[in-house]
Amino acid sequence: AQRVTQPEKLLSVFKGAPVELKCNYSYSGSPELFWYVQYSRQRLQLLLRHISRESIKGFTADLNKGETSFHLKKPFAQEEDSAMYYCALSGRKTSYDKVIFGPGTSLSVIP
Amino acid sequence: EAGVVQSPRYKIIEKKQPVAFWCNPISGHNTLYWYRQNLGQGPELLIRYENEEAVDDSQLPKDRFSAERLKGVDSTLKIQPAELGDSAVYLCASSLGLASGIYNEQFFGPGTRLTVL
Repeated sequence: AQRVTQPEKLLSVFKGAPVELKCNYSYSGSPELFWYVQYSRQRLQLLLRHISRESIKGFTADLNKGETSFHLKKPFAQEEDSAMYYCALSGRKTSYDKVIFGPGTSLSVIP
Repeated sequence: EAGVVQSPRYKIIEKKQPVAFWCNPISGHNTLYWYRQNLGQGPELLIRYENEEAVDDSQLPKDRFSAERLKGVDSTLKIQPAELGDSAVYLCASSLGLASGIYNEQFFGPGTRLTVL
């Protein structure tokens, strides 16, 4: 069964410290992985997707198929990074594979 | 561009009452999604439309939930009758659809927070 887990509900780091938000998944096939973010009083929005291999707002995420993980990392956390982060998965069989969201991790960056 | 529009933003009703949510997707987006987000959880898909056709409603509790997208644009999600466990945030999202590639970024609305007393 498709499933996304995020082991940390809450994560607090100091400004300037490295941050890593963990995401593990289960999927029988070749998935697409994403990170969505929701800042306070804003809408849920796409942060990045693994297939793009890009860095957005200093964040990167590498898909590790062996460990079935897609952890989100940033070397130096900023206060504006405080938000709710959701890891999500979609199949790649067709365009209609639905997106499965994880439970989310609330990141708090302490000034 | 206002993005995905949803109304109302908040709704408080008593159990057994009906309730309806409205969504207007981004212009030109063929795919429309309704999600339910319970407290402390990620969004869960209820139904997905491709134009006016519901192509995935496997998670929609059909005994009390219904949805429509009559002209392939706006959509309405209804609950009748509402139960205490229906308290959640109901999110609408839209994307370009199949023509644009394997995965289309979903754009979310602000959500409707439903409280059932």
